[in-house]
Amino acid sequence: AQSVSQHNHHVILSEAASLELGCNYSYGGTVNLFWYVQYPGQHLQLLLKYFSGDPLVKGIKGFEAEFIKSKFSFNLRKPSVQWSDTAEYFCAVKDTDKLIFGTGTRLQVFP
Amino acid sequence: NAGVTQTPKFQVLKTGQSMTLQCAQDMNHNSMYWYRQDPGMGLRLIYYSASEGTTDKGEVPNGYNVSRLNKREFSLRLESAAPSQTSVYFCASSALLGSNQPQHFGDGTRLSIL
Repeated sequence: AQSVSQHNHHVILSEAASLELGCNYSYGGTVNLFWYVQYPGQHLQLLLKYFSGDPLVKGIKGFEAEFIKSKFSFNLRKPSVQWSDTAEYFCAVKDTDKLIFGTGTRLQVFP
Repeated sequence: NAGVTQTPKFQVLKTGQSMTLQCAQDMNHNSMYWYRQDPGMGLRLIYYSASEGTTDKGEVPNGYNVSRLNKREFSLRLESAAPSQTSVYFCASSALLGSNQPQHFGDGTRLSIL
């Protein structure tokens, strides 16, 4: 079965800093990948998804992710973070008919 | 737009008590899911329902039961609550199991077992 690793458990940044959160999945073939965000006290919301085609995926709020098949990675990036990006970020991969989530990365952005 | 609605939002139980968490979606989705979220462990799938009338075990089903009451509703029951079940529970739905459509999540139920 698929698994997902998010190696950054807690990231602290100042506003305007660049962000990259790592996500690796366990095996190849056709993969469907997602990034979800959970703002404090709220439910998970979809940031972006990759199914096929252009490996650079644009999402909401200026986020993007790059699918690199040779590295089994789907890292999330944002060139300049804002205080409002403070949240927990989850990478997920579709495994047959279910989603497998990573353990999450907590991002804190300070003004 | 209500989306996925979970009740209650908070609950405290004593060990051994039973409880049912309710979930309803108004998006006409076929598939529904129950997850638990624990610190450092992300979201783990408890049970899911591909369509009305079907349910299947996920990664951590022990100690739970589910009922897919109709297309809209999917409930999660703890028959005899244990402290290890203290967690935040999320319900989600998607258009079709195994499709490329994303899952939509409810606001969660924060459950504490004393």
